[in-house]
Amino acid sequence: EAGVAQSPRYKIIEKRQSVAFWCNPISGHATLYWYQQILGQGPKLLIQFQNNGVVDDSQLPKDRFSAERLKGVDSTLKIQPAKLEDSAVYLCASSFRTGNEKLFFGSGTQLSVL
Amino acid sequence: DAKTTQPPSMDCAEGRAANLPCNHSTISGNEYVYWYRQIHSQGPQYIIHGLKNNETNEMASLIITEDRKSSTLILPHATLRDTAVYYCIALYNFNKFYFGSGTKLNVKP
Repeated sequence: EAGVAQSPRYKIIEKRQSVAFWCNPISGHATLYWYQQILGQGPKLLIQFQNNGVVDDSQLPKDRFSAERLKGVDSTLKIQPAKLEDSAVYLCASSFRTGNEKLFFGSGTQLSVL
Repeated sequence: DAKTTQPPSMDCAEGRAANLPCNHSTISGNEYVYWYRQIHSQGPQYIIHGLKNNETNEMASLIITEDRKSSTLILPHATLRDTAVYYCIALYNFNKFYFGSGTKLNVKP
């Protein structure tokens, strides 16, 4: 089966610019996650969707980050405006449902903010 | 927030068993323990998970102590391709995967 698809693979922007990342989960997976991974650290959960509803966005910096999952399939994560400290790998993951289900991760988008 | 603690790094000789420890002393009775690994420039990959009993699959074995306060991931015959960061995760509130800093396993020839 096809895995979790993410694009772009790399992105370089200047601070105060905006950027968007796209994720297509595994077909039939209801739950979608966005993680931020700063170099040398473990992934940090930003937001979790169940179908097109938000389950948890407690760690999402809502003043600059936004995410949506229209129609409960693809998802987009946006940063506006970007700061230097947003430089990280943004990982998307999906699972069949919320709960005791293993996550499948994409390869991530590496963002560099200059 | 991560509810597990792991050593930051470990070394293992190729062909030998790699035993990676994890402390989860505050885990709740119904919280599963999951293990993932991340090879450089890739997303984390699922390895194994368990609740109370020991588990084994084609990749690894998971040994959970009777009091569930700690566990050990065992790679029976480590290869150079097993060099990665290994994450032990407690499935918090039955639906939240919080990663800690993990253990960097270095498999040496």
